Amino acid sequence: QVQLVQSGAEVKKPGASVKVSCKASGYTFTSYDINWVRQATGQGLEWMGWMNPNSGNTGYGQKFQGRVTITRNTSISTAYMELSSLRSEDTAVYYCARGRLPSVGATYYFDYWGQGTLVTVSP
Amino acid sequence: EIVMTQSPATLSVSPGERATLSCRASQSVSSNLAWYQQKPGRAPRLLIYGASTRATGIPARFSGSGSGTEFTLTISSLQSEDFAVYYCQQYNNWPPEKTFGQGTKVEI
Repeated sequence: QVQLVQSGAEVKKPGASVKVSCKASGYTFTSYDINWVRQATGQGLEWMGWMNPNSGNTGYGQKFQGRVTITRNTSISTAYMELSSLRSEDTAVYYCARGRLPSVGATYYFDYWGQGTLVTVSP
Repeated sequence: EIVMTQSPATLSVSPGERATLSCRASQSVSSNLAWYQQKPGRAPRLLIYGASTRATGIPARFSGSGSGTEFTLTISSLQSEDFAVYYCQQYNNWPPEKTFGQGTKVEI
């Protein structure tokens, strides 16, 4: 069965960086894009960026441009999301999700999600 | 930018009752609409895509309808495990930023 398993919770100080991993299993890792979505406590879902694990191509939301980097290691079917220059507003649960692109010009819907990683930014 | 608006914000229903959740897009998204269920402390789960196609393993009591700008998620007979927050998401237009609605909480 398809699974996305994320790394554990992190506590970081303002200005630091965090790197969250997402290990895929149950399907061919390079066949589907991986996206990252975050959710602040009690808030809605916010898309951050995507990566094609086959090519390594990435795209990021305007809000996160310059601060987020998505990478992968295909040998271990794992994607990574690194967010830098952390501030208190970045405190949230970060999810990786497998993206499905139904047609040219459309964007993703997400058929499988990781369990989430809580990142707390606190002095 | 397409804005997704869900209503109501909170829906109070009893087990066994029918629940009807609405999602409106500020412009047409064709049938490129998904619904997700999220329980406290859990990741979202895909329920419906293509406005009306149930995802793998989703019970038949969940159904989606609509196209263009008006969409509905119906839960025909609420079970205890269905009390959760439900999000709609349009995926018709790139980029994927701000594609989610704000959610509807279904509570007892």
